[in-house]
Amino acid sequence: DGGITQSPKYLFRKEGQNVTLSCEQNLNHDAMYWYRQDPGQGLRLIYYSQIVNDFQKGDIAEGYSVSREKKESFPLTVTSAQKNPTAFYLCAISTGGHSSGNTIYFGEGSWLTVV
Amino acid sequence: EDQVTQSPEALRLQEGESSSLNCSYTVSGLRGLFWYRQDPGKGPEFLFTLYSAGEEKEKERLKATLTKKESFLHITAPKPEDSATYLCAVQGSSGSARQLTFGSGTQLTVLP
Repeated sequence: DGGITQSPKYLFRKEGQNVTLSCEQNLNHDAMYWYRQDPGQGLRLIYYSQIVNDFQKGDIAEGYSVSREKKESFPLTVTSAQKNPTAFYLCAISTGGHSSGNTIYFGEGSWLTVV
Repeated sequence: EDQVTQSPEALRLQEGESSSLNCSYTVSGLRGLFWYRQDPGKGPEFLFTLYSAGEEKEKERLKATLTKKESFLHITAPKPEDSATYLCAVQGSSGSARQLTFGSGTQLTVLP
């Protein structure tokens, strides 16, 4: 979706370094997400945030951290504690309220490679 | 725990050869079933949401259907530009209302 901007598109990390992936949205949606995608596997949820200054762990939060200081921004930090960080990272937003079937829209993704 | 299984993992079709992709799911209280298309190196693109058994939705050459246990994505007379990975996801009533469980996808290749 054009309203979700992820940067950088490609990022290389050295062993022991922390890196931060940016996600910005101009769609005025409350809920934002970070997913990880590995080849041949489904998307797995890392963290999500339903409102500013609040976020929850997803299924694979270990080795990652997030912040939500502004509604428009939800950066993801991949820490040195994440032992296998090489993957495709996707930021997403969802529409609607707490009713059923909120549709999730994705950004273009960021590739992170450990060198 | 919600689960989604997609089959086949990969599918090669000749242009014009219609087929179907399968998404089998188990979920506690289905809130929605979602289909996405993903091109290499890109984020998934939303296609459809289905909410209840018997529902059908269409978009160009694609038609999605839903039963209580599975969903099908029918592709009629596909073209090479339909080549992509198609992802299925479900949103259940357990856990957060905002979380999706994804399948591993079906990689579709349409040959000219």
